[in-house]
Amino acid sequence: GIQVEQSPPDLILQEGANSTLRCNFSDSVNNLQWFHQNPWGQLINLFYIPSGTKQNGRLSATTVATERYSLLYISSSQTTDSGVYFCAVEKNSGGSNYKLTFGKGTLLTVNP
Amino acid sequence: SQTIHQWPATLVQPVGSPLSLECTVEGTSNPNLYWYRQAAGRGLQLLFYSVGIGQISSEVPQNLSASRPQDRQFILSSKKLLLSDSGFYLCAWSVVGQTQYFGPGTRLLVL
Repeated sequence: GIQVEQSPPDLILQEGANSTLRCNFSDSVNNLQWFHQNPWGQLINLFYIPSGTKQNGRLSATTVATERYSLLYISSSQTTDSGVYFCAVEKNSGGSNYKLTFGKGTLLTVNP
Repeated sequence: SQTIHQWPATLVQPVGSPLSLECTVEGTSNPNLYWYRQAAGRGLQLLFYSVGIGQISSEVPQNLSASRPQDRQFILSSKKLLLSDSGFYLCAWSVVGQTQYFGPGTRLLVL
């Protein structure tokens, strides 16, 4: 199956710092999503981004599908940004196969 | 707007007991539905998905089963729980080719 690798596995920042999280995947994809899992376990959608660049406030994401990677940028980090960030992909199999494969996540801790 | 519900929120069950977790979606029709498990650590593993009533695909051989008795209802079951079934169970829905949205999850502890 498709492999999804996220880096770094852990990241500690001071409030106000910027960061970049990376997601590499091993095959072409129909779908790529970024999620934030908060301390209560809720998975929150950040971006649906199989290609291109999107921005939402302090967060932005870029996916370069031809090179099989995606980046999530967090600017001016806040303590509420803490949690685990997941990248998930759906392999391109000529049609929708419905299955998201998740990376192992990046645990982000933002200290005040 | 669409919402997704899961219950119970937490559950402690003895080994060998049965299990039934329920997920319901509001505000959409004919969604794709999914069950994931997140064990200790971080990774999420897809257990089952369904593209319609009575249509269930299993991703991982295991002690669990799933059913979809109604369009917006998805149930995860077991006849006899194992210790290894402990984890955080998440239900999700999507429209084909679009974002998956997750419910609040059920924390299951098997003792």
